[in-house]
Amino acid sequence: KQEVTQIPAALSVPEGENLVLNCSFTDSAIYNLQWFRQDPGKGLTSLLLIQSSQREQTSGRLNASLDKSSGRSTLYIAASQPGDSATYLCAVMNSGYSTLTFGKGTMLLVSP
Amino acid sequence: DTGVSQDPRHKITKRGQNVTFRCDPISEHNRLYWYRQTLGQGPEFLTYFQNEAQLEKSRLLSDRFSAERPKGSFSTLEIQRTEQGDSAMYLCASSLALSVNTQETQYFGPGTRLLVL
Repeated sequence: KQEVTQIPAALSVPEGENLVLNCSFTDSAIYNLQWFRQDPGKGLTSLLLIQSSQREQTSGRLNASLDKSSGRSTLYIAASQPGDSATYLCAVMNSGYSTLTFGKGTMLLVSP
Repeated sequence: DTGVSQDPRHKITKRGQNVTFRCDPISEHNRLYWYRQTLGQGPEFLTYFQNEAQLEKSRLLSDRFSAERPKGSFSTLEIQRTEQGDSAMYLCASSLALSVNTQETQYFGPGTRLLVL
């Protein structure tokens, strides 16, 4: 059974800092890995999707990397802003399945 | 394209009552998923449809939970005889699968927050 773990559970940084969120998964037979953002009481917004054959994806100030063999992914946020404050969720889609397994998320607070 | 929509956005009910939630996927999407998210946890998969066919329902939490997608468009999730432990956010997602064996990006709706008193 796939298990996804995210570290840290919460992170507080001052505006402008670069930061890294970590995600690990137990079953490396994944089809893809996705990072989502969730604002309080809201649904999920997809940030980046990395196919299993890829090593990284970039969108603006966000960069996600994937090391499938070691079961790890990182989300790097450059020059953080208060508007980045949210919960960030990592989810994997296992090969042969169409469902996502999520971690519990990292709650990020960027203070001005 | 207005994205995935869910109705209602919030629902308060008394224990023992039945509730039904609706999800309208992105118009051309053929797959529809239901997830449940409790406080402090990531979303947990419940069930999904390809068109009107329910392809996976073993992860529904109990026989009090059921889902339908009668015409392959919108879907409903019903919880019968609600319990306080059913209080959670219920999320719907949709995707476009070009063939039976493809796996694709899921787009999520805003969720329905259920509170059972």
